Amino acid sequence: DAGITQSPRHKVTETGTPVTLRCHQTENHRYMYWYRQDPGHGLRLIHYSYGVKDTDKGEVSDGYSVSRSKTEDFLLTLESATSSQTSVYFCAISEEIYNEQFFGPGTRLTVL
Amino acid sequence: RKEVEQDPGPFNVPEGATVAFNCTYSNSASQSFFWYRQDCRKEPKLLMSVYSSGNEDGRFTAQLNRASQYISLLIRDSKLSDSATYLCVVNGNDYKLSFGAGTTVTVRA
Repeated sequence: DAGITQSPRHKVTETGTPVTLRCHQTENHRYMYWYRQDPGHGLRLIHYSYGVKDTDKGEVSDGYSVSRSKTEDFLLTLESATSSQTSVYFCAISEEIYNEQFFGPGTRLTVL
Repeated sequence: RKEVEQDPGPFNVPEGATVAFNCTYSNSASQSFFWYRQDCRKEPKLLMSVYSSGNEDGRFTAQLNRASQYISLLIRDSKLSDSATYLCVVNGNDYKLSFGAGTTVTVRA
């Protein structure tokens, strides 16, 4: 299995609080991605990174920011969590943007 | 139109049966095609890449039809452990991968 970890694995928080999710890889892959998965929507791209300090928006980026200060770490921040951000969040990595992606185990986030 | 569309199913089949389903994609210039498997509440895992000439991996066969813009997955001799959601993945205009919402397969004893 690809070396991808996510932390925390589960989190319950309250509306309006900031939340940061972490993705860590040991594969030295260039690309890293954050997705959310909700029933009826499948996987939707939030943000992705193509190198240290290089990031771009996905299709559902509003309310989220990201940072990548090291090749191995990609952080997703919800500046002020809302109930609509209750979801399962997956991190993924790939060598090139058109290559297969490998996923972390996911973070289950509940915003009350 | 969505970039990748799949029949959500569910496909309910008995053990030992063959099940097949398709996925259509909108970008005629797509070059990367994959099937992923996702078990309930788990991360998607790569099942197989799909090549132009078609390819097999054990009981799984994937086909690509560029003219009609669809890929297919066939599972032979279904096992209980094949019960899962199968995600079709295709790259779009910007080369990023787009994921279908998935086809659910349930294999019954």
